[in-house]
Amino acid sequence: SQQGEEDPQALSIQEGENATMNCSYKTSINNLQWYRQNSGRGLVHLILIRSNEREKHSGRLRVTLDTSKKSSSLLITASRAADTASYFCATEGGTSYGKLTFGQGTILTVHP
Amino acid sequence: NAGVTQTPKFQVLKTGQSMTLQCAQDMNHEYMSWYRQDPGMGLRLIHYSVGAGITDQGEVPNGYNVSRSTTEDFPLRLLSAAPSQTSVYFCASTRLAGPNEQFFGPGTRLTVL
Repeated sequence: SQQGEEDPQALSIQEGENATMNCSYKTSINNLQWYRQNSGRGLVHLILIRSNEREKHSGRLRVTLDTSKKSSSLLITASRAADTASYFCATEGGTSYGKLTFGQGTILTVHP
Repeated sequence: NAGVTQTPKFQVLKTGQSMTLQCAQDMNHEYMSWYRQDPGMGLRLIHYSVGAGITDQGEVPNGYNVSRSTTEDFPLRLLSAAPSQTSVYFCASTRLAGPNEQFFGPGTRLTVL
């Protein structure tokens, strides 16, 4: 079963705008990770946030985690056409080390 | 480093045929896993391994076998292919001491007719 629900399913913006994607999950977690997948390619790790962290930054990426609401958000600032991809959140929980449970993803399109 | 490699990139099978999807990594990662990705869905875990000689089932293991004889290789076997196994298959690896990012291969697109 899918642990995560991502919202929106698709997002279309102009270059330079910010993109926000949300992820909700159902059970307790050790960490939450975000991955990017370009069309027809494998997944690339973007950022990992542990359950005791609330916010994390990496370049133009900002991730927040609210364990009380079992939700996370990924913000991409100043989007570029090259950011066009599918974005997935994945949770790792309990004793399930390494076993990631993925959401269904958000398709982001950034128009030049 | 080549990272995680997968072969073949594409494969078409007939129902009932068997085949092996190959996965190799050169990062000395103890943990390796197989996922399948179906249209409009995230990845689902098929099997995983925490080291040579140790494997276990994930969320959707039926119809698949794995073995891990070396740290580098983690092949996935389809015993008798079914149309429901049409999917894109991804192999991933990571260090056992975590939490750590996982490294994914480029995928194998499998069609079962």
